[in-house]
Amino acid sequence: EDQVTQSPEALRLQEGESSSLNCSYTVSGLRGLFWYRQDPGKGPEFLFTLYSAGEEKEKERLKATLTKKESFLHITAPKPEDSATYLCAVQGGANDYKLSFGAGTTVTVRA
Amino acid sequence: DAGVTQSPTHLIKTRGQHVTLRCSPISGHKSVSWYQQVLGQGPQFIFQYYEKEERGRGNFPDRFSARQFPNYSSELNVNALLLGDSALYLCASSFVVAGSKDTQYFGPGTRLTVL
Repeated sequence: EDQVTQSPEALRLQEGESSSLNCSYTVSGLRGLFWYRQDPGKGPEFLFTLYSAGEEKEKERLKATLTKKESFLHITAPKPEDSATYLCAVQGGANDYKLSFGAGTTVTVRA
Repeated sequence: DAGVTQSPTHLIKTRGQHVTLRCSPISGHKSVSWYQQVLGQGPQFIFQYYEKEERGRGNFPDRFSARQFPNYSSELNVNALLLGDSALYLCASSFVVAGSKDTQYFGPGTRLTVL
């Protein structure tokens, strides 16, 4: 069974203070690793898909990287509007029709 | 372009009742998946449908059922509601069935409260 563990559970940052979120995964034949952003009471918003180790993708202040065992979401010089829960999910080869999610990291950025 | 839409937004039911949740995928998307998200946890997979056929089912009891219509919209049905069914129910659509490099896009969700 696919397993996804995210750390830390919560992260409080000062505006401009860069940090990283971790997503460790166990999956049989990774087809894709996905990062989503979720605001309270809303559906997850797609950010990135990573397919193979060494791959990196960027969007504004966010950068996602992938190794064979984990992924990092780097937040550079965050702003208060970056406050949200960030979810990591994997799609495995054996059960490739579903996403298996971690519990998320809740990021709070103070002005 | 419209994203994934879900209805209703909120729903309050009592134990033992039945509920139907609805989802319309992004135009052109043929696959719909349903997830349950309990407060403080990540979404848990319930079903995936592609071209009106069930392609996957998560670890949920038979009280949960779903179907997909010819226009690719979908319904999730839950019978004999329990207090533990209270959650945010999310619908996601994708262009092709999983197995290729596709991305699932989520709707805003339906908040179900069971009293």
